[in-house]
Amino acid sequence: AQSVAQPEDQVNVAEGNPLTVKCTYSVSGNPYLFWYVQYPNRGLQFLLKYITGDNLVKGSYGFEAEFNKSQTSFHLKKPSALVSDSALYFCAVRAPRTGFQKLVFGTGTRLLVSP
Amino acid sequence: NAGVMQNPRHLVRRRGQEARLRCSPMKGHSHVYWYRQLPEEGLKFMVYLQKENIIDESGMPKERFSAEFPKEGPSILRIQQVVRGDSAAYFCASSPPSESNTEAFFGQGTRLTVV
Repeated sequence: AQSVAQPEDQVNVAEGNPLTVKCTYSVSGNPYLFWYVQYPNRGLQFLLKYITGDNLVKGSYGFEAEFNKSQTSFHLKKPSALVSDSALYFCAVRAPRTGFQKLVFGTGTRLLVSP
Repeated sequence: NAGVMQNPRHLVRRRGQEARLRCSPMKGHSHVYWYRQLPEEGLKFMVYLQKENIIDESGMPKERFSAEFPKEGPSILRIQQVVRGDSAAYFCASSPPSESNTEAFFGQGTRLTVV
């Protein structure tokens, strides 16, 4: 069975500094990996995905993520954080042969960007 | 193009009542998924439906919960005889028929409170 771990409940970073939100996964075969962001009392917004190809994936709002197969990681990064990036971030994995969007989510990491 | 629409946004029910949550997928999407988010947790898959068919209900509690996606109209998640433990945010997601490389699009959720 697939699983996702987000080891940090919260990440604090000052505005303008780079940020990293960590994610590791466990799945048989080549995974489909996703990052979603959730603002307070809102639904999930898609940020980016890795299906195949280039290990560095670029997504919305300046975010990017690097797929590392040997470390089974898919960390989310941004070179320069904004206060408006403060939100709850979820990493998710989908098994490649599932055939549909049955996602397994991590428990989420709260990002706080201070002015 | 409207996104995934869920209603109501907030629902309060007394213990023992029924809760009905509605989801209209994005235009052109024929696949609907329901996820539940308990407080301080990630999203958990409940059920996957196509028009008039339940494809995977492996995440649905065995009792009191049911889902449908009729030929006409929205998908409905029904919870009978609600208990306090059903209090959660329920998210609907949809995706187009071609599943391979797409991501799911989420609605804003229905927050159910059982009093």
